[in-house]
Amino acid sequence: QKEVEQNSGPLSVPEGAIASLNCTYSDRGSQSFFWYRQYSGKSPELIMFIYSNGDKEDGRFTAQLNKASQYVSLLIRDSQPSDSATYLCAVNGQGGKLIFGQGTELSVKP
Amino acid sequence: EPEVTQTPSHQVTQMGQEVILRCVPISNHLYFYWYRQILGQKVEFLVSFYNNEISEKSEIFDDQFSVERPDGSNFTLKIRSTKLEDSAMYFCASSEGGRHQPQHFGDGTRLSIL
Repeated sequence: QKEVEQNSGPLSVPEGAIASLNCTYSDRGSQSFFWYRQYSGKSPELIMFIYSNGDKEDGRFTAQLNKASQYVSLLIRDSQPSDSATYLCAVNGQGGKLIFGQGTELSVKP
Repeated sequence: EPEVTQTPSHQVTQMGQEVILRCVPISNHLYFYWYRQILGQKVEFLVSFYNNEISEKSEIFDDQFSVERPDGSNFTLKIRSTKLEDSAMYFCASSEGGRHQPQHFGDGTRLSIL
């Protein structure tokens, strides 16, 4: 059973701090990795995707991938209260399907 | 910005009834997906669809479920005889390319089975 694991949280950080969200996956053949943000009662919203080992930056967001350790992370710099949401890690599987983790709830305190 | 559109936003149905959930993927996208999320649980893959046929389906996607692209814009999920445990948010997603491309999700349909 191919799995994606995340700490469910909640992860609480003060406004302006760096939030670090982590994810591990079990299938060494996975090649594409995605971070989605999901506000309560809403749909997943794509934040970042990464295919290669290393870092990928987009604004306040940085995705980090380490395939040897089967580990992907998301850093959010200068966290804002509006960043408070559940962050979903997803990994590609057979036929293009996404395999999601349980999600990490992030709370940014003013 | 182009988006995936889903209708209805909320569907209430009696157990045993058939429901059809509708989706309009982003216009230049070629790959289409259905996912569901039971309250408080993970987002789960149901089915992927490309070139007018199913590419992959999960164990959840049994004979009660079917998908169709009846015209050039719509993509539908039909549940033939609904059960209480089908109550969930159903998300349609589409991607421009194949398995490695980002998928963009619609706002979802909340399905409530009574």
